[in-house]
Amino acid sequence: KAGVTQTPRYLIKTRGQQVTLSCSPISGHRSVSWYQQTPGQGLQFLFEYFSETQRNKGNFPGRFSGRQFSNSRSEMNVSTLELGDSALYLCASSSDEGSGTDTQYFGPGTRLTVL
Amino acid sequence: DQQVKQNSPSLSVQEGRISILNCDYTNSMFDYFLWYKKYPAEGPTFLISISSIKDKNEDGRFTVFLNKSAKHLSLHIVPSQPGDSAVYFCAASALRDDKIIFGKGTRLHILP
Repeated sequence: KAGVTQTPRYLIKTRGQQVTLSCSPISGHRSVSWYQQTPGQGLQFLFEYFSETQRNKGNFPGRFSGRQFSNSRSEMNVSTLELGDSALYLCASSSDEGSGTDTQYFGPGTRLTVL
Repeated sequence: DQQVKQNSPSLSVQEGRISILNCDYTNSMFDYFLWYKKYPAEGPTFLISISSIKDKNEDGRFTVFLNKSAKHLSLHIVPSQPGDSAVYFCAASALRDDKIIFGKGTRLHILP
């Protein structure tokens, strides 16, 4: 099976712009989670989608949003970018049906730099 | 409020010796714990997990120990190998809640 793919791998934006990141989960996986990784904060949970519905949400401002399509692919959008949004954004998929124990498989991430 | 804490940002261990990575948690509702390993420019990969009904889980060179009363878990790698040099993330979840909370990670350096 192909792994989790994320596009683009690298992105440079300026403050105030908006950005959309894409994630394709492993075939058959219906749960997609997004994380932000920064040196100071480690891996922080953004949100999780399951069957096109947001099932969980972390403590991020409303500028961070996402959606999931019927084929389980997911997009994450950040509007009005700030310098502090520079980070590695990781997507993870799992076949999780709600038990909370299924393994998450991570993509390689999208490195976003905000200038 | 950091619910999962990895207090050592980095750790250096001689090749062949035991590596012990520690993790503390504060939320008593957590009942499932995982360790992930991350190489630069790659996403984290799952290593080993343990549920709260156990106090030890072993998989090859990797063993995870859980001390529920102390809200502490540790990952032991024996013997340590050069390929083990990576960042290790501890993560926890409550089975009734699908959100997985990660620690900030510990960078492990295996010295030749």
